[in-house]
Amino acid sequence: DAGITQSPRHKVTETGTPVTLRCHQTENHRYMYWYRQDPGHGLRLIHYSYGVKDTDKGEVSDGYSVSRSKTEDFLLTLESATSSQTSVYFCAISEWTGTSINEQFFGPGTRLTVL
Amino acid sequence: LAKTTQPISMDSYEGQEVNITCSHNNIATNDYITWYQQFPSQGPRFIIQGYKTKVTNEVASLFIPADRKSSTLSLPRVSLSDTAVYYCLVGDPAQTGANNLFFGTGTRLTVIP
Repeated sequence: DAGITQSPRHKVTETGTPVTLRCHQTENHRYMYWYRQDPGHGLRLIHYSYGVKDTDKGEVSDGYSVSRSKTEDFLLTLESATSSQTSVYFCAISEWTGTSINEQFFGPGTRLTVL
Repeated sequence: LAKTTQPISMDSYEGQEVNITCSHNNIATNDYITWYQQFPSQGPRFIIQGYKTKVTNEVASLFIPADRKSSTLSLPRVSLSDTAVYYCLVGDPAQTGANNLFFGTGTRLTVIP
């Protein structure tokens, strides 16, 4: 399996508190992604990074910010958590294969509950 | 935007061939089509990728018609361990931006003994 870890794996927090999720990779892949997965919605992209300090917003970026200060770490921050952000969050990584960057490798996920 | 549409669920008996179709009417010229498998409590896992015609690997085949507005994942002789959710992915953020990357809602395949 690709070397991707996510921390924490589970978190319960209260509405209005800041939350930071961490994704760490040991594969030296250029591209990193944050997704959320909710029943009935499948996987939706929050943000993606195409290099250190280079990020772009995905389909559901409102309420989230990201940072990537080094290749191996991609942080997702909820500045003020809301109950609608209760979800399972997946980090993924990928590299250019010569045809596409969409052969992504996923982390184990973080289950976040906002009360 | 290259949104995708898949059937919500499918059932199949063990040993049968299963075909799951994904519609992506607005696929961009340079987009590849990628399929993933996801088991409960795990992240998705890459299965196969293609651009046009047919691609085959050790676990699946991918059929893409000339207009590329749909694709079909074919799983030969499924077993109980193939019970999972299957997603198709189109859109390449490196080429058309992150807001054009869509996984869709997936197809829940249940294999029956």
